[in-house]
Amino acid sequence: GENVEQHPSTLSVQEGDSAVIKCTYSDSASNYFPWYKQELGKRPQLIIDIRSNVGEKKDQRIAVTLNKTAKHFSLHITETQPEDSAVYFCAASGMYNNNDMRFGAGTRLTVKP
Amino acid sequence: EPEVTQTPSHQVTQMGQEVILRCVPISNHLYFYWYRQILGQKVEFLVSFYNNEISEKSEIFDDQFSVERPDGSNFTLKIRSTKLEDSAMYFCASSEEFSGANVLTFGAGSRLTVL
Repeated sequence: GENVEQHPSTLSVQEGDSAVIKCTYSDSASNYFPWYKQELGKRPQLIIDIRSNVGEKKDQRIAVTLNKTAKHFSLHITETQPEDSAVYFCAASGMYNNNDMRFGAGTRLTVKP
Repeated sequence: EPEVTQTPSHQVTQMGQEVILRCVPISNHLYFYWYRQILGQKVEFLVSFYNNEISEKSEIFDDQFSVERPDGSNFTLKIRSTKLEDSAMYFCASSEEFSGANVLTFGAGSRLTVL
């Protein structure tokens, strides 16, 4: 089955700096890669996703890149703000096996004012 | 905005007791899921459900677990005889019928504490 690795486990940045979180996946059939933000005690919420037919997607300060050959994808947050502090999970699932989505272990991002 | 609703938000139970966690998926969604998150750890897939049957289940979803869609709106997770290690946040999620990507909407979670 799919195995998703996520790094780093914790990340601390100064407000205004950029943050990058990286994930790798094992199943070459995976073709949908969402990123979830989870604030303390709350549900995971989708912040951005990418499908395998594109290499990059951007939404304001958030961008995701995908390298299918290397089987890795990354989340980039620019101009970080204290409210970006949360745990971020990457995930992967397949088009023809979309019944389960495998999550990475999470990255705890702290943005210091 | 449509939401996935879960009840109870928090349940405390004694080891060995049965627990039922309830979920109301988004009304036009056809795929339903349960995920588990032990405190401070990753979100783990338990089971997916489609067309009134289990589509896939993980190794965590053993004989102690069962799911049911008793009516047109509820989707339940039952743990028959709870163990201490079942203490976790349980998230229900739903998605529309597959159209190219599995976009999950999560509920707020049910925190289960087994004493």
